[in-house]
Amino acid sequence: AQTVTQSQPEMSVQEAETVTLSCTYDTSENNYYLFWYKQPPSRQMILVIRQEAYKQQNATENRFSVNFQKAAKSFSLKISDSQLGDTAMYFCAFEGGTASKLTFGTGTRLQVTL
Amino acid sequence: EPEVTQTPSHQVTQMGQEVILRCVPISNHLYFYWYRQILGQKVEFLVSFYNNEISEKSEIFDDQFSVERPDGSNFTLKIRSTKLEDSAMYFCASTQRVVMGGSYNEQFFGPGTRLTVL
Repeated sequence: AQTVTQSQPEMSVQEAETVTLSCTYDTSENNYYLFWYKQPPSRQMILVIRQEAYKQQNATENRFSVNFQKAAKSFSLKISDSQLGDTAMYFCAFEGGTASKLTFGTGTRLQVTL
Repeated sequence: EPEVTQTPSHQVTQMGQEVILRCVPISNHLYFYWYRQILGQKVEFLVSFYNNEISEKSEIFDDQFSVERPDGSNFTLKIRSTKLEDSAMYFCASTQRVVMGGSYNEQFFGPGTRLTVL
């Protein structure tokens, strides 16, 4: 069974600064996908970024980028130029196969301050 | 832009009552999911559904739970006799058929139904 671990329950960053959220996972599969989801107070689940395990290049979406270390089973999210609207819970998630379930970590609550 | 919709947004029920949570997946999607999130906790997988049958279910998804696609658009989650611990946010998600190594089709989440069991 896959497990996803987020060791930072809460993080805080000042506006315009950069913050990195950590995630590690455990799996015996070779082909899989990794994701970061944002959950604002509305509790809607919003996909931020995804990474295909077979791609060596780290994914980037505007201010969001990942550091994917497959051998170490590490998948961190970097948010550059943090904005107040980035304040939310962030969940790391794993998907192991064709249209299979998502396994989520426990989340990191990010607070962006002035 | 197509989206997954869920009704109701908030459901309050008495312990022991049956509830049905409804979802309308995106129209050309083939895989459907239910997840739940107890307040302050992580999102947990309940069940996946494809080709009119359950493809995978978790330990949480016991005999009190059932899913159905009664017509071409709705996807429902029924809890037969609710318990206090069923209070949670329930998310529906859907995706197109995924071909490993091809273009990825993400799971689109609905806005959730908040279930409160008293």
